[in-house]
Amino acid sequence: KQEVTQIPAALSVPEGENLVLNCSFTDSAIYNLQWFRQDPGKGLTSLLLIQSSQREQTSGRLNASLDKSSGRSTLYIAASQPGDSATYLCAVPGSNDYKLSFGAGTTVTVRA
Amino acid sequence: GAVVSQHPSWVICKSGTSVKIECRSLDFQATTMFWYRQFPKQSLMLMATSNEGSKATYEQGVEKDKFLINHASLTLSTLTVTSAHPEDSSFYICSAPGAGRTGELFFGEGSRLTVL
Repeated sequence: KQEVTQIPAALSVPEGENLVLNCSFTDSAIYNLQWFRQDPGKGLTSLLLIQSSQREQTSGRLNASLDKSSGRSTLYIAASQPGDSATYLCAVPGSNDYKLSFGAGTTVTVRA
Repeated sequence: GAVVSQHPSWVICKSGTSVKIECRSLDFQATTMFWYRQFPKQSLMLMATSNEGSKATYEQGVEKDKFLINHASLTLSTLTVTSAHPEDSSFYICSAPGAGRTGELFFGEGSRLTVL
């Protein structure tokens, strides 16, 4: 059974600082890994999807890396802004389907 | 990206009543949709897989008679919480794979259910 862990559980930084969010998974036989953002009381917004054949994906200030062999992914957010405050979740699908296993998330607070 | 819409976004009901939540894929077809449940400050837990034209498959520990799922068309899945009780109060979120074969999942805005 896939287990996904996110560290740290919470992070508070001043505006402008770079953010590093970690995700680890126990079963390295994954098709892809997806990072999401969730605002309080809201649904999930897909941020980045990394295919198993890729090592990283970038979108604007966001960069996600994937190391399948070690079962790790890292989400980097450059030059953080107060609007980046949210919970960030990583998730990986099952071996035969789209069922996602989620980490517990990292709650980020960016102080103005 | 693909858009998944849920309705209602929040609902309050009395204990013993049933509540229906809709999940729609707005600009693509989804033969499969997933229903998740999220308790406060916890991550998402998969409840069931909704399959268009056939029965839903439920995760272990989820009561299929309690959480009725219907996937009547390629763009609509519904979750009905039957005879709701306060312990059913939660945040329910649906998702669907987008078009193409990237494996990316798109999520609805979520529906907050409060049972009094």
